[in-house]
Amino acid sequence: NAGVTQTPKFRVLKTGQSMTLLCAQDMNHEYMYWYRQDPGMGLRLIHYSVGEGTTAKGEVPDGYNVSRLKKQNFLLGLESAAPSQTSVYFCASSYSPPLGIYNEQFFGPGTRLTVL
Amino acid sequence: KNEVEQSPQNLTAQEGEFITINCSYSVGISALHWLQQHPGGGIVSLFMLSSGKKKHGRLIATINIQEKHSSLHITASHPRDSAVYICASGGSNYKLTFGKGTLLTVNP
Repeated sequence: NAGVTQTPKFRVLKTGQSMTLLCAQDMNHEYMYWYRQDPGMGLRLIHYSVGEGTTAKGEVPDGYNVSRLKKQNFLLGLESAAPSQTSVYFCASSYSPPLGIYNEQFFGPGTRLTVL
Repeated sequence: KNEVEQSPQNLTAQEGEFITINCSYSVGISALHWLQQHPGGGIVSLFMLSSGKKKHGRLIATINIQEKHSSLHITASHPRDSAVYICASGGSNYKLTFGKGTLLTVNP
């Protein structure tokens, strides 16, 4: 099993450009999450999904959109990139929400995005 | 709003030392997670606990629900333990609140 994979691993964008980050998991997890990690700050939740076809806003959703058309994939889109979106982006998945028995989150390797 | 505080922010130890990293949270939770982030950036889950103590190899995690405090202990530390250790609390929703992490460096 590959676990959680993310593409691309690195990307450099110019201000105003758009891009999509892809997260895929092969563990049949219902829940998927997108986080960003910035120096000196903890991981912050951007958007999350509790099942195919569902999405919800997290702590820092502005400037991002997401889609979960298939259970195994969770896409994060930047419509018009800004320098403030320079960050490392992590995707994660879990069987159930953090409260349940099987609530370990499995993380992808991360995508390092730079917006010039 | 739940806040998660970790201490220390940075920790340097000599190989073989006993290490403790602390985590405090501000509101009641259902689960407390400890994660490890390797120098290469990958994040793995170490522990998930809601009460008492859990042990895995040289790692031990404890939690005191009344005091809203958790500790991660590493016995007989080794240079390969060098990483960022992150605690995160899970409340009454689907979201985790993360601490800023503790950077541990173990020197040979």
